[in-house]
Amino acid sequence: QQQVKQSPQSLIVQKGGISIINCAYENTAFDYFPWYQQFPGKGPALLIAIRPDVSEKKEGRFTISFNKSAKQFSLHIMDSQPGDSATYFCAARNSNYQLIWGAGTKLIIKP
Amino acid sequence: DAGVIQSPRHEVTEMGQEVTLRCKPISGHDYLFWYRQTMMRGLELLIYFNNNVPIDDSGMPEDRFSAKMPNASFSTLKIQPSEPRDSAVYFCASSSDPNTEAFFGQGTRLTVV
Repeated sequence: QQQVKQSPQSLIVQKGGISIINCAYENTAFDYFPWYQQFPGKGPALLIAIRPDVSEKKEGRFTISFNKSAKQFSLHIMDSQPGDSATYFCAARNSNYQLIWGAGTKLIIKP
Repeated sequence: DAGVIQSPRHEVTEMGQEVTLRCKPISGHDYLFWYRQTMMRGLELLIYFNNNVPIDDSGMPEDRFSAKMPNASFSTLKIQPSEPRDSAVYFCASSSDPNTEAFFGQGTRLTVV
């Protein structure tokens, strides 16, 4: 019940296209859902986050869609750019304030 | 602030040797986390501290692993004795409270041969 399932494992998108990464969870006590971006040789960095009382959050080209009833959330990257090529992790915070991480999605944006 | 600082960036050691990884959190951050990242298992939380006190070490894989935080600006993760399966990237992260963003260091890539 502590798991966060992330898909796909890898994704190739043409420049200018929309990248979509999905995550699903079981634990209804999760109260905070961040997405982290990781470039090779670097640590993960917070990209955008959402709380379960809203259904969507947008920051520039990045949008989180949150479906509380389905226990799913997704990251959409509009107008994807080669600089967006990275590994993306979804996560969920449990009642002990620990982040439970998805397995990651390696995103490649083709020029 | 320079961010979370980890050292060394790379460590290669022989099986059976002791390895010590170091972390300096962002000044003023009360929470410090140690993670391990591998291809097979992804990101795993090993242990976290609040105000220098270990709160949850349930992620520490074995007794060979130990972590300390002697003061607010320094933490160590020690593996003794090290084994090849410990090869991974170890990240330290810190945050000002559990409701805010965790900032990660650049990681230590450990290779045990």
